[in-house]
Amino acid sequence: ETVLTQSPGTLSLSPGERATLSCRASQTVSSSYLAWYQHKLGQAPRLLIYGASSRATGIPDRFSGSGSGTDFTLTISRLEPEDFAVYYCHQYGGSRWTFGQGTKVEIK
Amino acid sequence: EVQLVESGGGLVQPGGSLRLSCAASGFTFSDYGMAWVRQAPGKGLEWVSSIGTSSGAMYYSYSVRGRFTISRDNANNSLYLQMNSLRDEDTAVYYCAKCFSAWGNFDDWGQGTLVTVSS
Repeated sequence: ETVLTQSPGTLSLSPGERATLSCRASQTVSSSYLAWYQHKLGQAPRLLIYGASSRATGIPDRFSGSGSGTDFTLTISRLEPEDFAVYYCHQYGGSRWTFGQGTKVEIK
Repeated sequence: EVQLVESGGGLVQPGGSLRLSCAASGFTFSDYGMAWVRQAPGKGLEWVSSIGTSSGAMYYSYSVRGRFTISRDNANNSLYLQMNSLRDEDTAVYYCAKCFSAWGNFDDWGQGTLVTVSS
């Protein structure tokens, strides 16, 4: 089973700053099946990025994804107040789905 | 607009059973794989189970295999999760999620239903 390890666990930043979140896989992940989600307390998770780098419908262009193989990155170019949340990477492969443990982006 | 509405959560004793339902609308339900994902208190998201478009393929996480059964009713646009032999560690919010296509990542999610396993 592919284990996804996200870093850092918590990112303390101010609005307007750039956020860089990392997701490392224990084995090669198909870029076609690497996604990122935003999750706020009491809400449904929201798909941000799929296929490692494609923005989902309605997602602002300050969110971008990159990477391949075992190393993937989610970048938020300029943090807006509504971006403070927990972010998860997610992969599908070999009839199994796994999530990273999450990165919390909090207001500094 | 895609809508996924979960129901059936509640309080159950260890060893008990519960059946979750997810009512889907706004898309051709039979064309998409579906899944259940859970979040235990203070923890991250955990994939629980997935089912293919025609119920021909079902997959489970190691933590629930043999205790939970996923199913779907394409005629009624519904997804189910039968949970047996429940344990304290199954306490979580359970989300219904729609796959991007037949399989793959999840592009739409419900609001979740809370399952509490406690004596």
